[in-house]
Amino acid sequence: GAVVSQHPSWVICKSGTSVKIECRSLDFQATTMFWYRQFPKQSLMLMATSNEGSKATYEQGVEKDKFLINHASLTLSTLTVTSAHPEDSSFYICSARGGQWIVAFFGQGTRLTVV
Amino acid sequence: GIQVEQSPPDLILQEGANSTLRCNFSDSVNNLQWFHQNPWGQLINLFYIPSGTKQNGRLSATTVATERYSLLYISSSQTTDSGVYFCAVDKGDDKIIFGKGTRLHILP
Repeated sequence: GAVVSQHPSWVICKSGTSVKIECRSLDFQATTMFWYRQFPKQSLMLMATSNEGSKATYEQGVEKDKFLINHASLTLSTLTVTSAHPEDSSFYICSARGGQWIVAFFGQGTRLTVV
Repeated sequence: GIQVEQSPPDLILQEGANSTLRCNFSDSVNNLQWFHQNPWGQLINLFYIPSGTKQNGRLSATTVATERYSLLYISSSQTTDSGVYFCAVDKGDDKIIFGKGTRLHILP
């Protein structure tokens, strides 16, 4: 299968600061990338879908200004959590699909803790 | 939107036992995948199975698209099979929706 790399794996930041999470498709061109959020012992909730070169499509209830998504190239998407607060602490997972792949591949996830 | 329901929510088994996990979905789908999330959070693709039956070692999956359900079979369970199993579907509209998962505990 294909490889999707997410960085960092974990991050601790102070309340009020911004954090950027990167998601890269290493061996295929990801025309579509997805960002999910997962709270402890819960399922993955889709936050937004992005197609390369286009603005992301956010799910209902997800604040566009708080969770900035950029999909500037076919191998990189970034999620920036702006002015982070403790309630933003969560596990964030990206996924990518494209090229020869019908299925989506997932990154390792980023555990964000806001203190 | 499409609803994905998984059952059972929790399952505790002795090592060596067999198990069946179920995924029901509320609408026709283009794609269906089964994942295993390990204790570190990594999602591992198990099967891409919009219809039919596939097998990979001790794991197999069957999707009956006309009846809108999929089953994941795990035979001769091992402790390393523990974790959360997710079913995820999409209708080809670029949204991959996850069920709530089945938390599997395999006891030694």
